[in-house]
Formats: sequence, structure tokens, C-alpha cells
Amino acid sequence: ETGVTQSPTHLIKTRGQQVTLRCSSQSGHNTVSWYQQALGQGPQFIFQYYREEENGRGNFPPRFSGLQFPNYSSELNVNALELDDSALYLCASMGSDTQYFGPGTRLTVL
Amino acid sequence: AQRVTQPEKLLSVFKGAPVELKCNYSYSGSPELFWYVQYSRQRLQLLLRHISRESIKGFTADLNKGETSFHLKKPFAQEEDSAMYYCALRTYGGSQGNLIFGKGTKLSVKP
Repeated sequence: ETGVTQSPTHLIKTRGQQVTLRCSSQSGHNTVSWYQQALGQGPQFIFQYYREEENGRGNFPPRFSGLQFPNYSSELNVNALELDDSALYLCASMGSDTQYFGPGTRLTVL
Repeated sequence: AQRVTQPEKLLSVFKGAPVELKCNYSYSGSPELFWYVQYSRQRLQLLLRHISRESIKGFTADLNKGETSFHLKKPFAQEEDSAMYYCALRTYGGSQGNLIFGKGTKLSVKP
């Protein structure tokens, strides 16, 4: 059940720009969570979507936003990029009460 | 505050030696704890969860509520166990729960 995919694999942006990351959940999984993993750190919870609505959020500012679509694919949008946003972004879809992680998108902000 | 602490950044052992990766947590509710593993160039994957009380790849972990710990143990380490290990606590900030991770411990098993 590890069919979670993410795109793109790598991305380079400059400070102040906006970025959209995409996630395709495992079939039948209606819950998706996004995490940020900075270098040398564990993943940190950004927010969660359940049936197209945000239903939980970590300690991240409003410039981090998301969407979930009827097919349960998902997007993470980050506005006004800052250097500290450089990280690996993971999405995880939930099935059988377990979170299944995608391979991540490596974002570099210059 | 909800927190997961993994005190060791790196743990290096020889093949066949016992392994213990430490995890302590801080949580006011009833904890639900997990160990995730990330092998080189692979995605993060669930290793085990305390409620299932399973042994996966020879690893076990017991929840000790008195010591607020969930240490991961294996009696005889194998080279293929070399990976990054993350302890995680499930909380219910969202209705489906989300995970709070520790910073991880890199396990290196030498031949």
C-alpha cells in the first residue's frame, strides 16, 4: 500500500516566490497530511486534509496553504518563500489507520 | 508540551551486537507511539506501533508509561538494519491524528 507519489522531485526557487507541490494519495485514502523535514530534523506536521477540508494544522504561518481534490490528490502551496523554507516536503496518506509516506519533494530557496 | 526526544544522533554497533535506540515522549493524554525507518534512498516507512505489540524484522518496542519511554530494541543487529530511525507520537490536532517526530537516530551496523 505504498503508492503515494509526489511531484516534482526537486525544485529550486528564489526568496519571495511562490511554489506548489503535488501529492497523489494511495487509492481509497481520503486523508492526507503534509510534513516539512529540515536537514537533520524529523518531519514536522504542517496540516491535514480530510475529504477536501483542512481539519488540523501545525505551527506554520498562513502562507502555507493546501488543497485536496475529489480524487484525494493534494497540493501544498507556499507563498512569499523564505530561505528557511528550504526542506524536504513529505505527504502522507492514511489507510488502515496508518500513514503512508511519499518520497518527498526537495525544495531549495535561494 | 507534546514532544518526542531521541537523545542519540548516531548509534554505531557491530553486526551481532544488541541494539537499543532510545525514545522518550512528553504527552498529557494516552500516548500512541510508532517507530518509522528510512533506509538509504527509500521513503519513510512504518516499522512498528506499540498497540500492535508486534516484532518486525526482529525489532521490538515496549511502551513504558512510568518512564515515558518507547525504546526500540533488537538482540542481534544485522548490516541491513543500517538506516535512519524516527520515533513518533500520534496526537489528535486533526480528526485523523497527526504525528510528532523525534529528530531521528542514525543506526550504523558495521561488519
